[in-house]
Amino acid sequence: RKEVEQDPGPFNVPEGATVAFNCTYSNSASQSFFWYRQDCRKEPKLLMSVYSSGNEDGRFTAQLNRASQYISLLIRDSKLSDSATYLCVVNNNNNDMRFGAGTRLTVKP
Amino acid sequence: NAGVTQTPKFQVLKTGQSMTLQCAQDMNHEYMSWYRQDPGMGLRLIHYSVGAGITDQGEVPNGYNVSRSTTEDFPLRLLSAAPSQTSVYFCASSPHGGRLGETQYFGPGTRLLVL
Repeated sequence: RKEVEQDPGPFNVPEGATVAFNCTYSNSASQSFFWYRQDCRKEPKLLMSVYSSGNEDGRFTAQLNRASQYISLLIRDSKLSDSATYLCVVNNNNNDMRFGAGTRLTVKP
Repeated sequence: NAGVTQTPKFQVLKTGQSMTLQCAQDMNHEYMSWYRQDPGMGLRLIHYSVGAGITDQGEVPNGYNVSRSTTEDFPLRLLSAAPSQTSVYFCASSPHGGRLGETQYFGPGTRLLVL
């Protein structure tokens, strides 16, 4: 079983739609959590960190449930420019970052 | 401020050849790391370093060596390339490592094909 699991998608949604991605992790000692975005043939870039209380950045909302070892990302009012692969990332307390395989999103006009 | 740079961008090797992938950062970050990315697998940590002179193994270290003689540079060496090492390699850095909730900054990647 992978340490970080994501639905690979692809998710194909129309502009303006709301879409949610889920991620589960297996290591209960994990300390910090992130969502990264990766465009085709490019390097990953941080989208947002995920805090225990949940956090929002514009159209993006991230949630963390430590008891269920579950992370989510909600994108509201999807834009064409949101098309990318979204990577769930978990950091264990020994500097060991673990990445999910990514969820691919395509937003269509 | 160039961030994280990697060379080469593309490389084709024959089985058994050796090579070094270069990585440099100009942000004075303590933490540097190497990942490989394969289809359906996500990024997997190969080796990482928490400072000059200190390296440690990640999830998939076999077949790779690293060294960290300076804060800026973190080269990855393939001693005897194998087709299973065909992948996209990313170098990343952060001030102290993601355990403090820090962003990792990635280089543009090196695409390696081993024939």
